Amino acid sequence: KAGVTQTPRYLIKTRGQQVTLSCSPISGHRSVSWYQQTPGQGLQFLFEYFSETQRNKGNFPGRFSGRQFSNSRSEMNVSTLELGDSALYLCASSLGASGGITDTQYFGPGTRLTVL
Amino acid sequence: QKEVEQDPGPLSVPEGAIVSLNCTYSNSAFQYFMWYRQYSRKGPELLMYTYSSGNKEDGRFTAQVDKSSKYISLFIRDSQPSDSATYLCAVVVGGGTSYGKLTFGQGTILTVHP
Repeated sequence: KAGVTQTPRYLIKTRGQQVTLSCSPISGHRSVSWYQQTPGQGLQFLFEYFSETQRNKGNFPGRFSGRQFSNSRSEMNVSTLELGDSALYLCASSLGASGGITDTQYFGPGTRLTVL
Repeated sequence: QKEVEQDPGPLSVPEGAIVSLNCTYSNSAFQYFMWYRQYSRKGPELLMYTYSSGNKEDGRFTAQVDKSSKYISLFIRDSQPSDSATYLCAVVVGGGTSYGKLTFGQGTILTVHP
């Protein structure tokens, strides 16, 4: 079974631009969570989608948004990029049936975003 | 104060050593505890998952949870160079409010040298 895939793997943008990252979950998984990983803050939860609906979100500004499509693929968008948005963005998929509590989350390799 | 505290290390040990990795958490609502391993340029992968206080063993790995002191540990026996990675503890609040949300520690960088 194919794992979680994320595209692109690397991205360089300048301040003020916007960016869209894509995540394809494992086949059959309906929940997709997004995380930001930085050396200073570690892994921080952004939001979770299940069946095209956002069920949970972390403490990030509204510049960070996402969506999920009917095939469970998900995209994350960051508008008006800031230098501090430079990070590894990880998505994780799970079955999502039990609210993600006991579902194992399988992570993709991440998208490395650099903001200049 | 972070909800989950983890010493980032780095930790360097010789091959064959017993490794002890630890996290503390502040919120007693956390009910599920996990350890992830992350190799360089890869996403985290689940190593161990436990719900209750006590020990859980899987091969060379033992996860230990003490809810009374809000302390979680991972022990690696007979450590190997292939165990060199960043180890992340993660916790989850019980109930339906925690959809998809893992709260991670900072991660401990471990190097096992031959």
